[in-house]
Order: sequence, then C-alpha cells, then structure tokens
Amino acid sequence: GAGVSQSPRYKVAKRGQDVALRCDPISGHVSLFWYQQALGQGPEFLTYFQNEAQLDKSGLPSDRFFAERPEGSVSTLKIQRTQQEDSAVYLCASSITTGGSSPLHFGNGTRLTVT
Amino acid sequence: AQKITQTQPGMFVQEKEAVTLDCTYDTSDPSYGLFWYKQPSSGEMIFLIYQGSYDQQNATEGRYSLNFQKARKSANLVISASQLGDSAMYFCAAFTSYGKLTFGQGTILTVHP
Repeated sequence: GAGVSQSPRYKVAKRGQDVALRCDPISGHVSLFWYQQALGQGPEFLTYFQNEAQLDKSGLPSDRFFAERPEGSVSTLKIQRTQQEDSAVYLCASSITTGGSSPLHFGNGTRLTVT
Repeated sequence: AQKITQTQPGMFVQEKEAVTLDCTYDTSDPSYGLFWYKQPSSGEMIFLIYQGSYDQQNATEGRYSLNFQKARKSANLVISASQLGDSAMYFCAAFTSYGKLTFGQGTILTVHP
C-alpha cells in the first residue's frame, strides 16, 4: 500500500478484555516499530522488529503486552487483561532500512480506550 | 540512553512570520540522526526534516530548515513564512544505531491569522 495502515482506528475495551491491534507496514520495509502515545505526550518506544525478528522489546510496559510479526510484514500488538492505564494511541511505524538514516513512516494510530 | 528536550510547551506565531522551535539532545553515540515530525490534530505523524550528525550543512526542506549546532547539542527547527496549516504539535526525535527514535515531549505551535 501507499502508507502504513493500522486497524482498528478506534477501540474501546472493558477492563480485563484482550485486544489485538494490527499494523500493515509499507511493502518492502524491513524495520517495524510500535510506539505508545499518551495524550499530550511524545510517543514512547515499545518494540522493534527487523523482518520477522523481534530485536528489542525493552519498551513493553508489562508481560501483558505481546507483539509479533510472523512473516516479516504485518504485525500485531496484543494487550491482555487491559487496564485503564493502557488507554493511549498506539502508533506503528516502518522504515526501509535498519540504519536509522531514513525516516520512520507512521500509521494514523489506534486509539485505545479502556473503560 | 538518549534524551530529547523540547523546552517550549507552546508557541504562537503570526501568519507569514518565521518561528523557531527549540530542541536539545543528549547522546553518547558518535553517530546519530535527528528528525522533526509534525502531528496535526488528526493524529498522523508527518516527517519534516532530517539531519545527520556528520552532515556539514544544515538541512533544509522547503519552508523548513534545521539549525544544527553540534557543540551545543541543539537541533532547532525553523519554519519560515508560517501558514495557518502549520498549527500542530511538533516533535524532535533522535535515532539509535538501528533506527529506533526517541522523541521529545513536543511543542504545540499555533499560527494566528
């Protein structure tokens, strides 16, 4: 596709429910990142994939958060037993390289609200 | 670890005037890159400009330029001839060796007619 696509655009979950957020990166992009953005704040790094390998998951806030990219393209961020503090916008970004000199291309995000 | 500091929570500018958004960074990496992104109220993150640590000249992209002062570890964004559509949140970010970006807290820019 022309850009990074994320679905759903909005998600409302009751506390304790599991959610799955999907990211379709730009075709051919090697690097894929997930970020969490609280209201009025800068995005915070969650995890990074190089193709299908998850090379950095140091930003995942708890073991309730899990991400995968099994075939090196589409990625899913799963949050188990959601809590109110999980409410945020979850941004996915992809990059054609691994070196960092090319910009990250972001999706429009999924706004998660936990009630 | 990297840290990005944007000290201006909000900035106001008159349409057609220039504005500078401040950014300082702290990194121990000898090689790094600096980015500026724009985030309108719609939520998308739009790439504006990139500066590599070894670039000799300041980066420019249309009305955007980056005032890169390596010794002072600052990478300020200059927007010339502001337009109403420039009203948005602006983020400064730096990358680590594999491309992970660390973001600042952002500056909300409001352009007045």
